[in-house]
Amino acid sequence: DAGVTQSPTHLIKTRGQQVTLRCSPKSGHDTVSWYQQALGQGPQFIFQYYEEEERQRGNFPDRFSGHQFPNYSSELNVNALLLGDSALYLCASGNWGVFGPQHFGDGTRLSIL
Amino acid sequence: AQSVTQLDSQVPVFEEAPVELRCNYSSSVSVYLFWYVQYPNQGLQLLLKYLSGSTLVESINGFEAEFNKSQTSFHLRKPSVHISDTAEYFCAVSPSGSARQLTFGSGTQLTVLP
Repeated sequence: DAGVTQSPTHLIKTRGQQVTLRCSPKSGHDTVSWYQQALGQGPQFIFQYYEEEERQRGNFPDRFSGHQFPNYSSELNVNALLLGDSALYLCASGNWGVFGPQHFGDGTRLSIL
Repeated sequence: AQSVTQLDSQVPVFEEAPVELRCNYSSSVSVYLFWYVQYPNQGLQLLLKYLSGSTLVESINGFEAEFNKSQTSFHLRKPSVHISDTAEYFCAVSPSGSARQLTFGSGTQLTVLP
């Protein structure tokens, strides 16, 4: 039973570019959340998707957008990349209707040059 | 809104010694509390959680945490640490009834020395 999978594992971009990160939730999960973890910091909530709609959003600019597909997988898009966007991006999955701990993937390390 | 403060950024401790990692939170609503562990180049793994009931919660690998509502704390303890416990530990909260948005502390790096 695969857990949460994220791709790619590492990515290098330059300022101003756009990036797309991908996440497949754990089997049986229908909700995907994205977090940004800067070096030496705790993860910060970006947004959460359920039924292909953004349900909650943290304090991130509109440059950060997402999508959820019918198979529950999700993408995180970041436009006009800034140096400060360099971070580990974590995806977590769970079930909307049932409380339970979120399961995290191993993340995508994004470096902006 | 919720906030989490982890008072120690780094905690070095010798193998087989006890350890306590401190966590305080602030919230205007009732909360669920969590401890996650992160090993190098990996995601977060849930260590233990407090939802309701007994204020003392335990994990399968010997860690425990106690919810103290009056002091708004959820400190993590282990009576005897192992080298393999070396990792980053994060305390997190979410509004009770939902774990949909976790608010994390800045983390504590636990280093177990031989």
